[in-house]
Amino acid sequence: EVQLVESGGGLVQPGGSLRLSCAASGFTFSSYWMHWVRQAPGKGLVWVSRMYDSGRTTYADSVKGRFTISRDNAKNTLYLQMNSLSAEDTAVYYCAREAYSGGSYFFDDWGQGTLVTVSS
Amino acid sequence: SYKLTQPPSVSVSPGQTARITCSGDALPKPYAYWYQQKSGQAPVLVISKDNERPSGIPERFSGSSSGTTVTLTISGVQAEDEADYYCQSPDRSWVFGGGTKLTVL
Repeated sequence: EVQLVESGGGLVQPGGSLRLSCAASGFTFSSYWMHWVRQAPGKGLVWVSRMYDSGRTTYADSVKGRFTISRDNAKNTLYLQMNSLSAEDTAVYYCAREAYSGGSYFFDDWGQGTLVTVSS
Repeated sequence: SYKLTQPPSVSVSPGQTARITCSGDALPKPYAYWYQQKSGQAPVLVISKDNERPSGIPERFSGSSSGTTVTLTISGVQAEDEADYYCQSPDRSWVFGGGTKLTVL
């Protein structure tokens, strides 16, 4: 059974930093693109970042230059380093596994999410 | 990037049919992926490519398309179907619709 378990969320002051983790199990972690998707309180889903390996990462414009995605395949863990946080970054952050089928891309598994609150 | 537009809310009585639309003038393929998100929970894939349902998703969930609009149809809605529903573009733009809150009256 695929499991994705996020951790590391919490309350942080504006301008601060936080690192999220996503522990994966039940599949060959190193073979998959992995993503972070966030959801502000009462709002919709917004894609944040994706990674396959250190040479293949992509970011949403809203976080480019502030967030860094990384992974440790030996630990089956995905990370999101978030710097220069602002209130607009307040959200539940989900880790999600990318799937591919016949030329199309989607998410076939999601973690339960971790809440990041940016406030003074 | 482009935008996928969903109605903010849809309300139906139990046993009726709910239709949730997702429109985008630049939708790259004639289908979208659909996720169900119940209150306080993570999203769950309910409709995949070619109207496929992942294991465990009831047959009352189906997908269709017409022009630049894709539709999630829930036939014989049950109280447990009350949730937010999101469409997602099937390409690597990773664009989601704004979400539709389905209320079962």
